[in-house]
Amino acid sequence: DAGITQSPRYKITETGRQVTLMCHQTWSHSYMFWYRQDLGHGLRLIYYSAAADITDKGEVPDGYVVSRSKTENFPLTLESATRSQTSVYFCASSHTGTENTGELFFGEGSRLTVL
Amino acid sequence: AQKVTQAQTEISVVEKEDVTLDCVYETRDTTYYLFWYKQPPSGELVFLIRRNSFDEQNEISGRYSWNFQKSTSSFNFTITASQVVDSAVYFCALSDFTGGGNKLTFGTGTQLKVEL
Repeated sequence: DAGITQSPRYKITETGRQVTLMCHQTWSHSYMFWYRQDLGHGLRLIYYSAAADITDKGEVPDGYVVSRSKTENFPLTLESATRSQTSVYFCASSHTGTENTGELFFGEGSRLTVL
Repeated sequence: AQKVTQAQTEISVVEKEDVTLDCVYETRDTTYYLFWYKQPPSGELVFLIRRNSFDEQNEISGRYSWNFQKSTSSFNFTITASQVVDSAVYFCALSDFTGGGNKLTFGTGTQLKVEL
């Protein structure tokens, strides 16, 4: 079934370790996004990508790295995890062109705990 | 810069009551889209509605209705005859096409608790 999937769904790691959250979509959407959700802040944009090999910073990019070598994949890496990066991470994608209304299609989320 | 304000952090109602969730936005764009998403306790984000800035007609979908007023930059969401299954966090969001990107700016969410 087509959709957007994230892995892992749950991850516990320690401060200083590298963590990669995976995101895969089967719609061939050009745009992909990473948001983090924290109590009192709603969802905040970390990074987004307009197409393969095109990425840009969002509101809270510090401490994160992204890449997009293929249209369908958009991994998010925490190179040296910190406790402040404990959060729920949502990947999303959206249409482009005439279908572009800004509507995002979200994955189920990845809950990351940094000890 | 885009901004979405959901001043109500948490609302508690008794089942069958009507409840309105407020959303106020700021944008310099003349064309924009507004959204509501629902996040039930299971955690996923569920799309509820998209509204084009040129269409100020109110919309009703079953027990849900939305009131879009450009004059006050508001896009409020009303649930009529609330049910326990409506308990969730509700997010209002605004399209952000600045920098050529295609992003959404979210409010901080309103936690709705519907009790028996």
